[in-house]
Amino acid sequence: SQTIHQWPATLVQPVGSPLSLECTVEGTSNPNLYWYRQAAGRGLQLLFYSVGIGQISSEVPQNLSASRPQDRQFILSSKKLLLSDSGFYLCAWSLGDSQPQHFGDGTRLSIL
Amino acid sequence: AQSVTQLDSQVPVFEEAPVELRCNYSSSVSVYLFWYVQYPNQGLQLLLKYLSGSTLVESINGFEAEFNKSQTSFHLRKPSVHISDTAEYFCAVSDKSGTYKYIFGTGTRLKVLA
Repeated sequence: SQTIHQWPATLVQPVGSPLSLECTVEGTSNPNLYWYRQAAGRGLQLLFYSVGIGQISSEVPQNLSASRPQDRQFILSSKKLLLSDSGFYLCAWSLGDSQPQHFGDGTRLSIL
Repeated sequence: AQSVTQLDSQVPVFEEAPVELRCNYSSSVSVYLFWYVQYPNQGLQLLLKYLSGSTLVESINGFEAEFNKSQTSFHLRKPSVHISDTAEYFCAVSDKSGTYKYIFGTGTRLKVLA
């Protein structure tokens, strides 16, 4: 069966520090991969999605970047975190637009 | 462009009462529709989906949703809620044009009261 792993579960970082959040999927090939940020009362904001290795689409210009070095690995990064980067980050995968998305357990990021 | 509207940010309801969580969408192309549930500090879990065929879809835990094309709605209902249904519920759409993007509503927090 397919599983998605996202880590760490919680992270506290100072302003200006770098960030790397990792997401891996097991049990499927060539998934579409997604990064979302969830803020209270604002639902899920799509940050990046990828339909293949090295293919990244950015939805919202901001202080973050994403990379897909392997088929089932999706990394969210920042060189310098801002206070506004705080939030709950969710990784997800799917096999097509008629298929549901499957979510990881999320990373709660707090910026101090 | 697509959009999803969940007008109710919070819905309190007593245990064993019925509930309806509203979802309306806007899209210039045909869409697939989904409802997800999120428990505190967890990711989202698929509750049910509408792809085609019968406009009424059901989940294994008693929820159902009906696709209404003329009203562009996909409301979620349950005839009798339990305390364990307390969670946040998200409506989402993906279009059939192959963009692979999903648009989520802002969520409705269902609180079931004893």
